[in-house]
Amino acid sequence: QKEVEQDPGPLSVPEGAIVSLNCTYSNSAFQYFMWYRQYSRKGPELLMYTYSSGNKEDGRFTAQVDKSSKYISLFIRDSQPSDSATYLCAMRGTGFQKLVFGTGTRLLVSP
Amino acid sequence: EAQVTQNPRYLITVTGKKLTVTCSQNMNHEYMSWYRQDPGLGLRQIYYSMNVEVTDKGDVPEGYKVSRKEKRNFPLILESPSPNQTSLYFCASSLSNPGGNQPQHFGDGTRLSIL
Repeated sequence: QKEVEQDPGPLSVPEGAIVSLNCTYSNSAFQYFMWYRQYSRKGPELLMYTYSSGNKEDGRFTAQVDKSSKYISLFIRDSQPSDSATYLCAMRGTGFQKLVFGTGTRLLVSP
Repeated sequence: EAQVTQNPRYLITVTGKKLTVTCSQNMNHEYMSWYRQDPGLGLRQIYYSMNVEVTDKGDVPEGYKVSRKEKRNFPLILESPSPNQTSLYFCASSLSNPGGNQPQHFGDGTRLSIL
């Protein structure tokens, strides 16, 4: 079993839809949770991060962490074609020296 | 402009011919890392470095070498490349141990094909 599981998609939605992207994990030591966005032919870039449990909102994006279920989510409101990319979750435990990434979910937002 | 620069961006080579992929960052970051990205497997860490002359193995270090003689540079060396090392490689850097508000900055990748 992988430490971090993520549905690869692709997830196709129309412009304006609400998108939900999710990851599950098995290591209860994970405390830092991140979402990276990767456009085609580019490296990943950090989109949002949360520490421990709770929600965090930034514009159209909301990140949620449920440590009791070992489940994290990224919601995108009013999705735009420019949101079409691969979204990778990543996480790390306190004192660990590396991130563990999910395999990424490819999102396609059609006009 | 703050950036991580990898070279080359694309390389096709043959089994056994030693190659080096260079990585340089201009942000004075202490932490640098190499990943490979494969379909269905995601990003897997090859090696990382916490500072100059300090390197450690990631999840898939077999067949790779690294060095960190200067803070800004972290080359990836394939001494005897094999076809199973065909992949998309990313170099990344962060101010310190990545996570939370210490984002990793990634290069644009090196697509390596070994015949």
